[in-house]
Amino acid sequence: AQKITQTQPGMFVQEKEAVTLDCTYDTSDPSYGLFWYKQPSSGEMIFLIYQGSYDQQNATEGRYSLNFQKARKSANLVISASQLGDSAMYFCAMRVTGANSKLTFGKGITLSVRP
Amino acid sequence: EAGVTQSPTHLIKTRGQQATLRCSPISGHTSVYWYQQALGLGLQFLLWYDEGEERNRGNFPPRFSGRQFPNYSSELNVNALELEDSALYLCASSWTAYNEQFFGPGTRLTVL
Repeated sequence: AQKITQTQPGMFVQEKEAVTLDCTYDTSDPSYGLFWYKQPSSGEMIFLIYQGSYDQQNATEGRYSLNFQKARKSANLVISASQLGDSAMYFCAMRVTGANSKLTFGKGITLSVRP
Repeated sequence: EAGVTQSPTHLIKTRGQQATLRCSPISGHTSVYWYQQALGLGLQFLLWYDEGEERNRGNFPPRFSGRQFPNYSSELNVNALELEDSALYLCASSWTAYNEQFFGPGTRLTVL
């Protein structure tokens, strides 16, 4: 079984500063993918970034980067130069490669960006 | 390019009734997923359809069912509604089972 853990309480960051959102995962499968999604108050889940378990380099997408530490089973999201529009709920998710294509989500972290 | 669309946006039903939720995937995507986001429970996987077939289902009772049509759109049916079925139901689609999933805006179901 797969498990995603997001234990940080609500996070606050000053506009233009960087912030790290923590995510740890557990799986016995060697092939898996890790995802981060953003959910604003409107409810829509917005895909941010993906990291494959065999990827040699950490994924980056604009202001988002994923700090992937395989041995520690962590996949932290780093948001650089925070903007007010980054205030939202952030979910870490995992998918194990194979017939079971579902995403397993963590409970999410609320990020508030202060002006 | 149009994203994933869902209808209706809001749905209000009473206990015991049936609800039907609809989802249209991104053009070219053949996999459709349904998730339930209930307050305090996070996102829970419900169903996965690919090429018209149900490929996997989460830990939900049989009164949660659905189907995928030849145009890859999908329908989620919830029979004998219970109060605890009140939640945001999110549909996602992906190009294949191994690609990232893109979500629609959701249908908020309220059971009174």
